Formats: sequence, C-alpha cells, structure tokens
Amino acid sequence: AQSVTQPDIHITVSEGASLELRCNYSYGATPYLFWYVQSPGQGLQLLLKYFSGDTLVQGIKGFEAEFKRSQSSFNLRKPSVHWSDAAEYFCAVGLSGGSYIPTFGRGTSLIVHP
Amino acid sequence: EAGVAQSPRYKIIEKRQSVAFWCNPISGHATLYWYQQILGQGPKLLIQFQNNGVVDDSQLPKDRFSAERLKGVDSTLKIQPAKLEDSAVYLCASSMDPGDYNEQFFGPGTRLTVL
Repeated sequence: AQSVTQPDIHITVSEGASLELRCNYSYGATPYLFWYVQSPGQGLQLLLKYFSGDTLVQGIKGFEAEFKRSQSSFNLRKPSVHWSDAAEYFCAVGLSGGSYIPTFGRGTSLIVHP
Repeated sequence: EAGVAQSPRYKIIEKRQSVAFWCNPISGHATLYWYQQILGQGPKLLIQFQNNGVVDDSQLPKDRFSAERLKGVDSTLKIQPAKLEDSAVYLCASSMDPGDYNEQFFGPGTRLTVL
C-alpha cells in the first residue's frame, strides 16, 4: 500500500523568508502526488498536483513542488512566505492508473513570525 | 458557486450517545466522500459515494458508523453509539466524478468531541 511521510510536525519561518516542506512517499510505481493546505476552521484546499510530465509543478498562491523519483520526494516550496500562509499543509499520494483518492500524510504546521 | 456545506460545525456528546452529520455537496457533483481527521493526523477516507451508491466503505467501522446518500445529493453520516476515540473532525468532500481526475472540494468539517 502507498504511504506518505511528512517528517516535520512544525516549521517556523519569518515572514519574507523562503519555505520548504518535506514529503516522502512509498510506492512501487510513480504515484499521483498532491499538496493541500488547511487553514484553521476550514476545509482542505488543493495547492498543486503531479501526475506526469514536468517534475517541477506550479500551484496556487505562489507555491511550487518538485517530484524527485530518485529520492521518492515531493517537497513543497515558496520563495517568500506571507503571514497568511500560516496553516496546516498536507502531502498526499494516490495510486497511478487507478484511484485519484489521496492518502494523506499527518501534516506539517507552518508558523510564520512577523 | 456555493461550496460544500456541512452542519453542525461543532458537536459535543457523551460516549454511548448518537450523533449525525449532514453534508450538501457542490451542485452537480456526483461523487461524495466522508473523511475522519483525528487531531495530529491527516484525513482518512471513511466512505465514498457515486450518486447514491457506495463505491468504497472499506475503512468505515460498520458496527457503529453508517452513512447514506438516498437521493444522490446530500448525505448524512451517523455514529451510534459514539466512543471516545471518535473525537475528530469529520470532513465531507465532493467531486464531479471519480473516473478522470476531478478535484475534490472539501467542506469546513464538523468537529466532534466525545466526553
């Protein structure tokens, strides 16, 4: 079965600093990969997804993620963090060739200092 | 376009009581999902409906949880009787259909506390 690991429970950055959230997956083939954001009291919102093709994926709100097959990773990045980016971020994996339903990691809480 | 609606937003009950959650998906979305999100974890799929039929309920604890989507639109999730470990946020999501990729849209969730 596929699984996804987010090794960082919390990440703290200063506003304007760059951000990288780590995600590693376990799956035999190339999975579908997702990043979601969850603001307090709100549902999850899809930031970006990777199915195939260009391994650098652009998403909404200035986020991007890079799929690295050799490292089984799909890290999320943003060059300059805004205070409004403070939220919970979830990496998720879905089975290629079949289910698009994501299996979620445990999440990384992003704290932004002014 | 209205999003996925859920009610209530918060519910506090005592163990062994019953509780029900309601979800109204985005208009025209054939597929509806219920997720359980325990504090400190990612959401876990409980059940998936395609119109009014169940596609996947393999992770639904059927001894106490039930869900229905009788007219293929809104849905209810019930827990009877509740246990302490059922304390979680219950998220509803919908998508156009599960065939080709269609983005899931999530509601704000119902936070359940079981005392």
